[in-house]
Amino acid sequence: DGGITQSPKYLFRKEGQNVTLSCEQNLNHDAMYWYRQDPGQGLRLIYYSQIVNDFQKGDIAEGYSVSREKKESFPLTVTSAQKNPTAFYLCASSIEVRGLDTEAFFGQGTRLTVV
Amino acid sequence: SQKIEQNSEALNIQEGKTATLTCNYTNYSPAYLQWYRQDPGRGPVFLLLIRENEKEKRKERLKVTFDTTLKQSLFHITASQPADSATYLCAPTLSNSNSGYALNFGKGTSLLVTP
Repeated sequence: DGGITQSPKYLFRKEGQNVTLSCEQNLNHDAMYWYRQDPGQGLRLIYYSQIVNDFQKGDIAEGYSVSREKKESFPLTVTSAQKNPTAFYLCASSIEVRGLDTEAFFGQGTRLTVV
Repeated sequence: SQKIEQNSEALNIQEGKTATLTCNYTNYSPAYLQWYRQDPGRGPVFLLLIRENEKEKRKERLKVTFDTTLKQSLFHITASQPADSATYLCAPTLSNSNSGYALNFGKGTSLLVTP
């Protein structure tokens, strides 16, 4: 089945540690996105990528890093510089970013808890 | 600055009635607007897309309107069912935000349909 997979579903880390969230898609989509969702808040865009080896900062990129070495994969690293890393993280993909009338497909999310 | 506003209060309606959710936006002119459904602990799922030259779009029990003069989209669910209970997110596409052309979402409106 085609889709977008995030792993793990739940992740616990100690404060000060970097952690990498996985996102893989087999939809052959060029565009991939990372969002963060906090209780009572909407989805806030962290980073997005339009093509392999290229990515752009979203509205809340500070404390995060990404890579796009393969079309299928867009991992997100939450660094120790991120002040409030505990949140629900969502990865999405679409055919292309500038194909504005194309839907986004979301993964099931990773709930990160930093203690 | 650009804003996307959805009813922050939960909408409670009785089964069989029509639910109407509102999405207002300010300080930009999106060419498209998408609606998504999100269940607790899961990623959003695409429902409908409407273009600026389309006043109304329908899909089964769903209807979306897009009024570029009022800067507003209305999302209707007719003959609502308890299974429709979820959070509904609107996503007008932004063309001049820090996020480039990536999808930006409202905070969502929670809908509860009671038997």
